[in-house]
Amino acid sequence: GENVEQHPSTLSVQEGDSAVIKCTYSDSASNYFPWYKQELGKGPQLIIDIRSNVGEKKDQRIAVTLNKTAKHFSLHITETQPEDSAVYFCAAIFVISNFGNEKLTFGTGTRLTIIP
Amino acid sequence: DSGVTQTPKHLITATGQRVTLRCSPRSGDLSVYWYQQSLDQGLQFLIQYYNGEERAKGNILERFSAQQFPDLHSELNLSSLELGDSALYFCASSVGAGALYEQYFGPGTRLTVT
Repeated sequence: GENVEQHPSTLSVQEGDSAVIKCTYSDSASNYFPWYKQELGKGPQLIIDIRSNVGEKKDQRIAVTLNKTAKHFSLHITETQPEDSAVYFCAAIFVISNFGNEKLTFGTGTRLTIIP
Repeated sequence: DSGVTQTPKHLITATGQRVTLRCSPRSGDLSVYWYQQSLDQGLQFLIQYYNGEERAKGNILERFSAQQFPDLHSELNLSSLELGDSALYFCASSVGAGALYEQYFGPGTRLTVT
C-alpha cells in the first residue's frame, strides 16, 4: 500500500548543529519527494523537493538526498537557527488510479526544536 | 502568505450537524486539494479538483463532499459530523493537474465538533 514512514517524531538540536530527518516509502514507482515545513498556526510550506533522477539537491543550508534502491530519502539542515524550529513533513507521490492520477502521501511529521 | 485563503478560521459545531468550508486558490492556479490534519492521522489527502472537475480522490468519507466552482473557488461539505471529524482542514492549490506541481497551502480551518 501507500506508505511513508518518517523518523524521528521529535528532534532537538543545539543552535548551529545539523539536523537530519529520514523517510522511507513503499512504492518503487514514486518519483517525486517534497519536504514541507509547518510553523505553528500555519499551513505547510514547500522548502525543497527532489525527483527520482537526482541523488541530491541543495538549497543554501538545506539539502535532500535520495536512495531509490533503498527507497529512502533524507532532509539535512546545517547551521541550524532558531527560526528552523517547526514541524517538518516528507511526502511521496503515489499513483492512485489506472488513469495515472496521483496524490501526495505525507509522513507523520518531525517536530524540530532548535535550542539556543 | 501563500495566496490561498480559507474561511472560516475556526468552526465549532455539534455532532450531527453539517458545515461548509471554503477555499480560494492562488490567482492562476487551476487545482485545489483538500487535506485533513489530525493528531493521530497526520496530513491525509481527501480530494483534488482541477478546473472544475474531480481529479483524484483519497481517504474521503462518504459523509464528505466537495466541489469546485467556475471561478475556481472550492467548498468542502462535511455532514453528519462526528467527534472524530474534529481536525484542521487545509486547502492547497497548484497551477497544474499532477501532484508534481508545487502545492501552496492555505492557513487552514480548525473544526471542533462537540
